[in-house]
Amino acid sequence: GEDVEQSLFLSVREGDSSVINCTYTDSSSTYLYWYKQEPGAGLQLLTYIFSNMDMKQDQRLTVLLNKKDKHLSLRIADTQTGDSAIYFCAEMGGATNKLIFGTGTLLAVQP
Amino acid sequence: DVKVTQSSRYLVKRTGEKVFLECVQDMDHENMFWYRQDPGLGLRLIYFSYDVKMKEKGDIPEGYSVSREKKERFSLILESASTNQTSMYLCASMPGTSYEQYFGPGTRLTVT
Repeated sequence: GEDVEQSLFLSVREGDSSVINCTYTDSSSTYLYWYKQEPGAGLQLLTYIFSNMDMKQDQRLTVLLNKKDKHLSLRIADTQTGDSAIYFCAEMGGATNKLIFGTGTLLAVQP
Repeated sequence: DVKVTQSSRYLVKRTGEKVFLECVQDMDHENMFWYRQDPGLGLRLIYFSYDVKMKEKGDIPEGYSVSREKKERFSLILESASTNQTSMYLCASMPGTSYEQYFGPGTRLTVT
């Protein structure tokens, strides 16, 4: 079945760039998403990209998609302590509206 | 702004109790979803609904049922709660015209 994988933890210093990586297996994915979860809260949709795009930029966020390698990344420029959270990658398959989530990457921003 | 609310933030129940988790969205979305979130496993889909009175099993439906009598409300039911159902439960909704899912704040359920 479909699978989405992420590394579990990333630590960066405030002001540096963060890059969170994700790989997926479903070649028929139509949309790929990044969600942010702050402690004790639900998931907040950060951004998403359609599968026929290579890149999407939104202020400090840049999403890169390598469809051939089934690799998605989220770059956060000028990372702030408020960016500390768990980041989930998710993909939506071609046939359904179901999201398949990765395990989440905990981003720790050191002051 | 899309608003998805869940009836409780924290809930403690005993083994064998019947548990109702309620989710309400105020944006007239057709699709609604229930997930559970466990450390190291990410989010896993329990059930979803694409219309009133319609429901589809997700990846882990065992031990759960759902009800969607009104468009804005999607209920998750644990018929006989067990300790392995201790988890964070997240509800989401999505309009029929878009591919953006919006999440509620979650209910942390503990079954003792």
